[in-house]
Amino acid sequence: DAGITQSPRHKVTETGTPVTLRCHQTENHRYMYWYRQDPGHGLRLIHYSYGVKDTDKGEVSDGYSVSRSKTEDFLLTLESATSSQTSVYFCAIRETGSNYGYTFGSGTRLTVV
Amino acid sequence: QKEVEQDPGPLSVPEGAIVSLNCTYSNSAFQYFMWYRQYSRKGPELLMYTYSSGNKEDGRFTAQVDKSSKYISLFIRDSQPSDSATYLCAMNKIGTDKLIFGTGTRLQVFP
Repeated sequence: DAGITQSPRHKVTETGTPVTLRCHQTENHRYMYWYRQDPGHGLRLIHYSYGVKDTDKGEVSDGYSVSRSKTEDFLLTLESATSSQTSVYFCAIRETGSNYGYTFGSGTRLTVV
Repeated sequence: QKEVEQDPGPLSVPEGAIVSLNCTYSNSAFQYFMWYRQYSRKGPELLMYTYSSGNKEDGRFTAQVDKSSKYISLFIRDSQPSDSATYLCAMNKIGTDKLIFGTGTRLQVFP
């Protein structure tokens, strides 16, 4: 998938625990994104990054934080997981200079019990 | 009201049928329009893209944008069982980094 790896692929966690999802790219792209996908809502943007240490909020950022200390890694953290954060999480990169070139990872299926 | 509306389906058609998938949007600032295909338990993959109004054709697929009506369409000719997937429209504005998605339409093509 165009050099994007998400880990873990599946995770079950308990309510109240912190969880970190990782997105790793091998192509040195500047822009990286975290989306969540839920039935009836489609893909919604959580946070995105436009460079190392440069991040901004999306439409559903409450309860999530992100960090980008290296170009290749974009981490999404659920500070204290809740059942409403049960979802499939997708990381995406945008090719530098392109308005169309978004490539998605294979997703992380997170269940909060 | 959502910025982008898309009928979730499911849409079930026989092999060989012409399929029409559609999205409407409310923000006239959208300029870039995309269609993604997503197979079950996979990430979305870019299928087609267009800038502003007009048509674009790629093999069996045609994308249309009507900015006056704020309406975009994806047509699939001679549909195949391998086209069975969820199709998501997406769009963004010039100068922004945020892609806005429709909810997706699930398509099933039966032999």
